Formats: sequence, C-alpha cells, structure tokens
Amino acid sequence: SYELTQPLSVSVALGQTARITCGSTNIGTKNVHWYQQRPGQAPVLVIYRSTNRPSGIPERFSGSNSGNTATLTISRAQAGDEADYYCQVWDGTVVFGGGTKLTVL
Amino acid sequence: EVQLLESGGGLVQPGGSLRLSCAASGFTFSSYAMSWVRQVPGKGLEWVSVISGNGGSTSYADSVKGRMTISRDNSKNTLWLQMNSLRAEDRAVYYCSRLDYDTSDTFDFWGQGTLVTVSP
Repeated sequence: SYELTQPLSVSVALGQTARITCGSTNIGTKNVHWYQQRPGQAPVLVIYRSTNRPSGIPERFSGSNSGNTATLTISRAQAGDEADYYCQVWDGTVVFGGGTKLTVL
Repeated sequence: EVQLLESGGGLVQPGGSLRLSCAASGFTFSSYAMSWVRQVPGKGLEWVSVISGNGGSTSYADSVKGRMTISRDNSKNTLWLQMNSLRAEDRAVYYCSRLDYDTSDTFDFWGQGTLVTVSP
C-alpha cells in the first residue's frame, strides 16, 4: 500500500519560514493536498492539488511537489500557525501522512 | 456558508452498533461526493468511507469493510454512517467531509466531528 512519510515535528522561529515535507515514491506524479489542524479543531484545507491555495488561506502558505517529495511552505510563520499538518493523496484509496506538529518558537 | 454538523456519537459496548449523521447546508448537497474520516484522539487522520453524489458508488477502508455502511439522502441533505460490530479500535472522533466538486479528491470542508467510544 502507498505510504506518505512526514517528519513528526518541525520547529520554526517566529517570522521565519517553515517547510514540512511529505515523502513517497513518485509523489511528484500525484495531486497532494495539505490540511491544518489546530488543537481541538477540525482539519482545514490549506493547499490542494500540490500548489493551489483555497480562498481565505493566506498567501504565506504555498506548496510544491516534485520527484519523491511534496513540501508545504509557511512563510513569515505566526503563532497561530502552530498546528498539526497532514498531507493526503488518492492512490486507489485515500492516504494520509502521519502528520507533522509545527511549533513556532 | 458550507456547514456540516455531525451527530450520533456516544458510548457503545464492543459488538454494538451506532449510526452517525451529518447534516449538510450551504451548498447543493447532491452535487458532491461525501466522506467520513476518523481520528483517534492524539493520533492521525484515517479515511473511513466515501459515497458519490448520487449515492450510487461507495468505497470503504479495509479496516471497516463489512462492518460500516455509508449512505445519504439528498432530499434531506443528510449523510449517514451505520457502524456495526464495533471494536475498541473504532474509538475515534468521526468527521464528515465534503469532497471538492472538480475532481472529488480533496476534502474541502469538514464538520467538527462526533466522538465514538467503544467500551464495556
């Protein structure tokens, strides 16, 4: 079965750039979606089809996808960006990554 | 405004049954595939099931196949998940989610979830 590998945690200084990766074989050929889940809340879509931002999501959030790695980039990180982030693809079925906890220092 | 409101969660004994509901509003319900995704508290997201807009096509995760049934009533803007033969490992928050219109591969809106606890 297809698996997505995310780092358990990423830390970023306030105002700096955070990069969260999602790895799998040839993930660059797939549409990757990213969700933000703040503590106690439901997930929110922040990037769809690897590079697109839904309305209402700040331009600070961006995505890329190539080769074996997809990346969610959060520029000018804010305290409110502290959350768990999940990548997701379809590979015959829905596959979620294990999630990455982003800490803003 | 898109709204998804889950209900029906609670405490059930192992081997028991529960039916979750998701009331949808703010969009043309019948035009969208819908899905259930669950999350054990403190753990990651796990996809459970999906149903097409007209209800004619369904799919399930292997972990729930044969025990859970997804259905919908487009006249009532309601999605259901019938859960039978529940196990301790089914304990989770269950989220109702809408799949995006264009490709149905993105969960573009989520409800707040309903907690299912399976315990003697």
